[in-house]
Amino acid sequence: GQNIDQPTEMTATEGAIVQINCTYQTSGFNGLFWYQQHAGEAPTFLSYNVLDGLEEKGRFSSFLSRSKGYSYLLLKELQMKDSASYLCAVLDSNYQLIWGAGTKLIIKP
Amino acid sequence: IAGITQAPTSQILAAGRRMTLRCTQDMRHNAMYWYRQDLGLGLRLIHYSNTAGTTGKGEVPDGYSVSRANTDDFPLTLASAVPSQTSVYFCASSDSMDTGELFFGEGSRLTVL
Repeated sequence: GQNIDQPTEMTATEGAIVQINCTYQTSGFNGLFWYQQHAGEAPTFLSYNVLDGLEEKGRFSSFLSRSKGYSYLLLKELQMKDSASYLCAVLDSNYQLIWGAGTKLIIKP
Repeated sequence: IAGITQAPTSQILAAGRRMTLRCTQDMRHNAMYWYRQDLGLGLRLIHYSNTAGTTGKGEVPDGYSVSRANTDDFPLTLASAVPSQTSVYFCASSDSMDTGELFFGEGSRLTVL
């Protein structure tokens, strides 16, 4: 079966750095996506990786290793507004998005 | 502002009743999706549409139906609601089915009693 694993919850301090990991086992691979979802709101697209390596976008970076079935989202200079759930998703060989359950990130002052 | 509009935002429904969740997008996206989101679970695909006039079943289609009469609208119908359909429902769209960059509506919180 297809599976996406990510930690249920993480806690970090304002101003610090946090890394949210995602491992996947899917039927094929056509890209990995990270979304941010604030409580009570819709998910919004953050980043996309299809080749191995690091993609940087401001304070957020996303890394992919296809051979290891592994990705992480790195958030730098954490702000209170970064408190949210972060969803990892993989586009499989049938172009269906497989979603992880999400990681709830709690930022403390 | 361009985007996706869902209605209603929230609804309490008696079991056995029929309910339609509305979804409209103005981005001229070809693909549209309906997901449900439950605590502790990832987003689960109910139905999708590649383009106007076509629909397909997702991971959890039972008890739901959709139609895609035109590009903009993609309503989701619960023919006879059951308590297990209590959930938050998200409509989403994308330029095509071969991208994972989806745009989501604000969600419809449905409670079936």
